[in-house]
Amino acid sequence: GQQLNQSPQSMFIQEGEDVSMNCTSSSIFNTWLWYKQDPGEGPVLLIALYKAGELTSNGRLTAQFGITRKDSFLNISASIPSDVGIYFCAGQWNNDMRFGAGTRLTVKP
Amino acid sequence: DGGITQSPKYLFRKEGQNVTLSCEQNLNHDAMYWYRQDPGQGLRLIYYSQIVNDFQKGDIAEGYSVSREKKESFPLTVTSAQKNPTAFYLCASKVGTGPANEQFFGPGTRLTVL
Repeated sequence: GQQLNQSPQSMFIQEGEDVSMNCTSSSIFNTWLWYKQDPGEGPVLLIALYKAGELTSNGRLTAQFGITRKDSFLNISASIPSDVGIYFCAGQWNNDMRFGAGTRLTVKP
Repeated sequence: DGGITQSPKYLFRKEGQNVTLSCEQNLNHDAMYWYRQDPGQGLRLIYYSQIVNDFQKGDIAEGYSVSREKKESFPLTVTSAQKNPTAFYLCASKVGTGPANEQFFGPGTRLTVL
């Protein structure tokens, strides 16, 4: 099955910087989800988006559901060392869920 | 505490042996899923189940089998027919089958074939 195109693959940033990552697809979805995964652990849900154009925040995280329903972005503001990890996007159409390959984030103190 | 548990955390298997990975949830979720994760790739769906005694193949079901005899349990068997079984396996569940329900993941099992 088709997976999502997630970019960038990895990012190295300084503590305090803002981060932006995005996912695109050739298919439309009715839900976009963003997860964070620490090494050796399962992904943890950060933000869920249900409507095209929706902009949702969770603390320093902001995500948007693209108006075309084929893309989504995640922003992290004022990064801190514990933001380190792999961030995954997921698009869901009814019972079908597709995942991006992940963005590996490294934050230098 | 409600959640999803997977056991064991690490599993080693000799080539040619079948092995079963456990997934249990006490969230009263209807749907359960098994994914495989390889380095640098997104999660790939192995099997899913929307109700007890029913399950469907995902994108990479070959070499795997599942059962759903109880709502809270969805074990995955990696058979000797799976050509490249070394991977990180994730179980997930969600409350219903509609699009407005998110999947929640267990902590994962890392399987290594020796």
